[in-house]
Amino acid sequence: DIQMTQSPSSVSASVGDRVTITCRASQGISSYLAWYQQKPGKAPNLLIYAASNLESGVPSRFSGSGSGTDFTLTISSLQPEDFATYYCQHANSFPLTFGGGTKVEIK
Amino acid sequence: EVQLLESGGGLVQPGGSLRLSCAASGFTITTYAMTWVRQTPGKGLEWVSSISTANTYYSDSVKGRFTISRDSSKNTLYLQMNSLRAGDTAVYYCAKDLLVGAYFYMDVWGKGTTVTVSS
Repeated sequence: DIQMTQSPSSVSASVGDRVTITCRASQGISSYLAWYQQKPGKAPNLLIYAASNLESGVPSRFSGSGSGTDFTLTISSLQPEDFATYYCQHANSFPLTFGGGTKVEIK
Repeated sequence: EVQLLESGGGLVQPGGSLRLSCAASGFTITTYAMTWVRQTPGKGLEWVSSISTANTYYSDSVKGRFTISRDSSKNTLYLQMNSLRAGDTAVYYCAKDLLVGAYFYMDVWGKGTTVTVSS
């Protein structure tokens, strides 16, 4: 199985900060990676697919990059509505697996 | 509007069964791959099962106990869960694939249904 390791597990940041979250796959997954945002009590929301493609309706301050084993999600200027938990998920093969999550908290 | 609505969750004793339903609207459920994902309270996301046009897939933790299926006439996805264990306690989400085909990027999610396995 492919393991997805996210770091950091939590980050404290202020509105306007640039935030970068990393996700490492235990083996190469090409660009078969998605990023989701989840707020408490809500379902996840797709932000990025195929490593770097912005889902329709997602603000352009979100971006994704990487291929192979190392990936990043960047929020260029953190907004109040961005405080949430972020998950990566590989779609390279079964079983699909998610990273452990990164909680973005208010500093 | 594309929507998914899960139902069928509840309290069940260990060893019992439940069938979750996921009613789809705004799209044809057989056109896209569909997936069940669960989340234990306060924990992360865990993939459970997916169905494409040709295949079904299961996590090792549920293989042999859970069955995914869909009914095109009702535009509904199902998850039949048998031999339930305490470890199956979670919120269960159904989700739709972003793209036609089978890519397993999930763009539409239901609100979730809670399954509690306890005596």
